[in-house]
Amino acid sequence: DAGVTQTPRHEVAEKGQTIILKCEPVSGHNDLFWYRQTKIQGLELLSYFRSKSLMEDGGAFKDRFKAEMLNSSFSTLKIQPTEPKDSAVYLCASSLGANTEVFFGKGTRLTVV
Amino acid sequence: GEKVEQHESTLSVREGDSAVINCTYTDTASSYFPWYKQEAGKGLHFVIDIRSNVDRKQSQRLIVLLDKKAKRFSLHITATQPEDSAIYFCAASKNTDKVVFGTGTRLQVSP
Repeated sequence: DAGVTQTPRHEVAEKGQTIILKCEPVSGHNDLFWYRQTKIQGLELLSYFRSKSLMEDGGAFKDRFKAEMLNSSFSTLKIQPTEPKDSAVYLCASSLGANTEVFFGKGTRLTVV
Repeated sequence: GEKVEQHESTLSVREGDSAVINCTYTDTASSYFPWYKQEAGKGLHFVIDIRSNVDRKQSQRLIVLLDKKAKRFSLHITATQPEDSAIYFCAASKNTDKVVFGTGTRLQVSP
């Protein structure tokens, strides 16, 4: 039974590079989330899709972060250009919909040098 | 929109004691309050939830209390064990909207 799959698990990028993180949600789920997790800020919502439509794109993260969901089983998060302050764990999650359990992937640890 | 505040960023208890993590929310329409646990190096996973039609729910050593009037809910872990050490996230949502998470509480259970 596949949960949320994220690739890669680890990514090292040089400042200014473009990186693309990938996520496969649980089959049949309608909601998909991208979060950034740091020790100081905790969980920060980057993007939220419902039935492939972008519902929220995280305000402060708009300029260099772009999430897309071209089909119901695959989403990407592009960071362009990367900066050292982007170093964090990026989590993808999905759920059936409102008021239902959210399933998380294991995350991608991004290090920008 | 909804805002969820998690009051304790860290919490340390001795093994066998109880731990309490408190959260508040802002939207009176929120009706679903789940809790998630993240162990070191792992993703978050669901542990327990409570819906607004009840004010208490228990699952083994976990108890969730909900005070709708105060817009406050809490997770109580009784008889803590070292394996309870983790980051705990509270969350809130309403029927038509996405779940909103708190910033997490790091619980350390020492022997």
